Amino acid sequence: DIQMTQSPSSVSASVGDRVTITCRASQGISSWLAWYQQKPGKAPKLLIYAASSLQSGVPSRFSGSGSGTDFTLTISSLQPEDFATYYCQQANSFLLTFGGGTKVEIK
Amino acid sequence: QVQLQESGPGLVKPSETLSLTCTVSGGSISSYYWSWIRQPAGKGLEWIGRIYTSGSTNYNPSLKSRVTMSVDTSKNQFSLKLSSVTAADTAVYYCARDLDEYGAGWFDPWGQGTLVTVSS
Repeated sequence: DIQMTQSPSSVSASVGDRVTITCRASQGISSWLAWYQQKPGKAPKLLIYAASSLQSGVPSRFSGSGSGTDFTLTISSLQPEDFATYYCQQANSFLLTFGGGTKVEIK
Repeated sequence: QVQLQESGPGLVKPSETLSLTCTVSGGSISSYYWSWIRQPAGKGLEWIGRIYTSGSTNYNPSLKSRVTMSVDTSKNQFSLKLSSVTAADTAVYYCARDLDEYGAGWFDPWGQGTLVTVSS
């Protein structure tokens, strides 16, 4: 199995802050990585796929980068609606796996 | 736009079989991969498996011995059966579609999720 490790597990930030979340794969996955946002009681929402492609309708303040084993999700200027939990997910192998999540909280 | 809706019992007894159906509306179920994903309360996401509209499947090895997925193209539905359930199978179960027809393995859209509790 490919293990996905996210850091930090939680981050406190203020509106307008730049926030960076890291995801590390236990083996190389090229660019087979997606990022999701999940709010309480809601299904996850796809933000980024193929490591850096912005899903249609997602604000441009979200960006993704990386390849191989190390990836980042950046929110350039945190907005009130961005407080949520974020998950990475690899699609390099037949067994699709998610990271443990990063909760972005209000400072 | 395509919408997904899970349905099925919210309470299942230990050792019995959990059965859920996902109904696809606003588009055809054909030519896509369709997945089931679950999330225990307060925890992360676990991919259970996926099915193509031809009926071919990929299951999470950790659940493979207990999982069966099927698709009914005439009803625009696909289904999950998980046998011999225990309390550890209590979770919100989501159905989801691959983003595109290439089956890359990223999920969009998702259903709203349905809570299944395993308890006697």
